[in-house]
Amino acid sequence: GAVVSQHPSWVICKSGTSVKIECRSLDFQATTMFWYRQFPKQSLMLMATSNEGSKATYEQGVEKDKFLINHASLTLSTLTVTSAHPEDSSFYICSAPAGNTDTQYFGPGTRLTVL
Amino acid sequence: GQQVMQIPQYQHVQEGEDFTTYCNSSTTLSNIQWYKQRPGGHPVFLIQLVKSGEVKKQKRLTFQFGEAKKNSSLHITATQTTDVGTYFCAGPGSGNTPLVFGKGTRLSVIA
Repeated sequence: GAVVSQHPSWVICKSGTSVKIECRSLDFQATTMFWYRQFPKQSLMLMATSNEGSKATYEQGVEKDKFLINHASLTLSTLTVTSAHPEDSSFYICSAPAGNTDTQYFGPGTRLTVL
Repeated sequence: GQQVMQIPQYQHVQEGEDFTTYCNSSTTLSNIQWYKQRPGGHPVFLIQLVKSGEVKKQKRLTFQFGEAKKNSSLHITATQTTDVGTYFCAGPGSGNTPLVFGKGTRLSVIA
């Protein structure tokens, strides 16, 4: 099946620094990718929709200036957490739709810890 | 907006016992999907149900979609330790939202 990769798998950073997370579709093209955040023992919460060649669409309550999304190509979307704070510590997961279905292929996730 | 409710939140079973998680939607769903997330891992697609009253099986897992297409269930027969994880149901979202996830059911299997 289709594979989605994420890098890095985990990152620890100091408060105030910025962290970039990459999401790649390895064997298929994705004009749209999705970024989720998952806090411990909670469900996945959609943060934004990444659109190749256009601006990302953010969910209500998600600060677009803090979570910068760039969909540079048909196989790569990046999420940059700017000026990270401890409350941004979470599990960030990207996904890409499988063909013309509603099914999503999820990346392995990036665990961010902000000290 | 659309909501997908899932119960129970947690379930602890002895190995060999059966397990069921239930999912209910406030609206009729065109389809429902089930995902499994192992501890520390990411959600992995299990199955999609589309038809009213549909029943699908994957080895010890049985998935059902209600006649009204508002509820679904996942039943695991004779659980094994490899079944440990959180099971999420998800319905299609509206607008740009791809999926609306239930809160998940966390399954623990005691050997």
